Amino acid sequence: QKEVEQDPGPLSVPEGAIVSLNCTYSNSAFQYFMWYRQYSRKGPELLMYTYSSGNKEDGRFTAQVDKSSKYISLFIRDSQPSDSATYLCAMSYNNAGNMLTFGGGTRLMVKP
Amino acid sequence: ETGVTQSPTHLIKTRGQQVTLRCSSQSGHNTVSWYQQALGQGPQFIFQYYREEENGRGNFPPRFSGLQFPNYSSELNVNALELDDSALYLCASSLLTGLEQYFGPGTRLTVT
Repeated sequence: QKEVEQDPGPLSVPEGAIVSLNCTYSNSAFQYFMWYRQYSRKGPELLMYTYSSGNKEDGRFTAQVDKSSKYISLFIRDSQPSDSATYLCAMSYNNAGNMLTFGGGTRLMVKP
Repeated sequence: ETGVTQSPTHLIKTRGQQVTLRCSSQSGHNTVSWYQQALGQGPQFIFQYYREEENGRGNFPPRFSGLQFPNYSSELNVNALELDDSALYLCASSLLTGLEQYFGPGTRLTVT
């Protein structure tokens, strides 16, 4: 079993929809949680990071962490075709967050 | 643009050969991490370099080795290439403490 699980999708939604992307993890030692977006043939781009449980909002994006359930989510409001990409969750044991453990990624397609 | 560059973009090698991949860090960053991303998978941490020394390593054999230079650029060397080494190799630069890693576009390695 992988340490971080993520539904590979693809997830197809109409433009303007609210998108929910999720990851589960098995190691309770993870303290920092990140979401990356990866466009085709590009490197991952950091969207947001959160520490421990709770919510964090940045524009159309909201990250949510539930450590008791070992479950994290990323919500995208008013989704746009430009949001079409693969979304990767990643986790770290400490704030020297260089040694990341990634999920497998969820491919999102937002249709005009 | 993150400022992290990688070369070459694509590479085709034969099983058993050796390969060297290169990465230039974003200005001001002293830490470089390398990841392997197989097709349809999330990135897997290979190792991290800080001040020219290996500062952490994932579950990769010793035939994966690296260097970091005084200007913080880095190389990833893979000896005795195997077919399963075919992947996108990503480098990410950061400060040692801090969660913001900036990824380069990657080098796509194909082993035949």
